[in-house]
Amino acid sequence: EAGVAQSPRYKIIEKRQSVAFWCNPISGHATLYWYQQILGQGPKLLIQFQNNGVVDDSQLPKDRFSAERLKGVDSTLKIQPAKLEDSAVYLCASSSRGTMNTEAFFGQGTRLTVV
Amino acid sequence: DQQVKQNSPSLSVQEGRISILNCDYTNSMFDYFLWYKKYPAEGPTFLISISSIKDKNEDGRFTVFLNKSAKHLSLHIVPSQPGDSAVYFCAASGNQFYFGTGTSLTVIP
Repeated sequence: EAGVAQSPRYKIIEKRQSVAFWCNPISGHATLYWYQQILGQGPKLLIQFQNNGVVDDSQLPKDRFSAERLKGVDSTLKIQPAKLEDSAVYLCASSSRGTMNTEAFFGQGTRLTVV
Repeated sequence: DQQVKQNSPSLSVQEGRISILNCDYTNSMFDYFLWYKKYPAEGPTFLISISSIKDKNEDGRFTVFLNKSAKHLSLHIVPSQPGDSAVYFCAASGNQFYFGTGTSLTVIP
């Protein structure tokens, strides 16, 4: 079974530029998550999708971050414009049935450096 | 507001000995707990979980203990192996997964 796929693996951009990350979850997984992991911290949820609907985006900085999951499969996360403090690893994860007694499977992440 | 806490940033253990990683949580509504292992430049991988209706779950060398009254869980690895060297994250399941800050385990050969 293929795991969660993310691209790119690494990205370096200048502040005020825009960037987009792509995620393909495990086939059949209805729930998709985007997490931000800053060095030395645990993953922090940015947005959670159930199929193509948003379940929780309360911690997404909506003035600069956006995410979509068209057709309930792939997802993209965009940052525009980027700030220095956005430097982090962006992790995509998926699970079969939300957070109920199940685990989330993570991709390898995209390491973003904003200079 | 950190709902899941791992107070030990790092732990070193001799190969063959027991590793004990600890985790505390604040929300008594959490009903499912997980441990993830993370190697550098990789995403976290699921290791073991426990439901709030149990106090122990074992999978090979890994055992997770849950003390609901103390809002505390721990991961025991025995015997520890050099390949276990990684960062371990504790997580709790509520309306979302809440992660601790991680404990970096080093197993010394």
